[in-house]
Amino acid sequence: KQEVTQIPAALSVPEGENLVLNCSFTDSAIYNLQWFRQDPGKGLTSLLLIQSSQREQTSGRLNASLDKSSGRSTLYIAASQPGDSATYLCAVRPNPGGKLIFGQGTELSVKP
Amino acid sequence: DTEVTQTPKHLVMGMTNKKSLKCEQHMGHRAMYWYKQKAKKPPELMFVYSYEKLSINESVPSRFSPECPNSSLLNLHLHALQPEDSALYLCASSRAWGGYGYTFGSGTRLTVV
Repeated sequence: KQEVTQIPAALSVPEGENLVLNCSFTDSAIYNLQWFRQDPGKGLTSLLLIQSSQREQTSGRLNASLDKSSGRSTLYIAASQPGDSATYLCAVRPNPGGKLIFGQGTELSVKP
Repeated sequence: DTEVTQTPKHLVMGMTNKKSLKCEQHMGHRAMYWYKQKAKKPPELMFVYSYEKLSINESVPSRFSPECPNSSLLNLHLHALQPEDSALYLCASSRAWGGYGYTFGSGTRLTVV
């Protein structure tokens, strides 16, 4: 059974720092992996989608990598800003017809 | 239009009430989803509609009744809910069921009193 873990559960950093959020999964046979951002009480905003054949995806200050063999994905945020404060969720899709399996999320706080 | 729109944003209902949540998208997506999210927890899948047909029901109690009148619209009808059903209800869509990225709405914050 696929399990997705995100460590740490919470992270507080000063503005301007580069940071890495981690996502690990127990079964390397995944179809794709998606990173989301969620502001308090709001819906999920899709940040990056990585297909199983890809190693990384980039969007602006965000870079997500995928290493299927080790069961890991990282979300790199460059030059963090207070507006980046949110909960970041990773979700794995085991196969094309399967449902998303979410991690518990990392709550990020960027202090001015 | 690249959004999933959910209404209402907030809803307070009594345990004997009947209410409905609405979700709309105009991206031409043919798969639509309902998720339930409790505080500090990840979203939990409730229902999947693919081409307006119910494809997955994750053993959701019958007091939640989904409906997909057309390819752009998804409803969730609520009846005789319990206080523990209070949560954020999220709608999402994707190009098709299977392998595509999801677009989520902003959610409906439901409180059952």
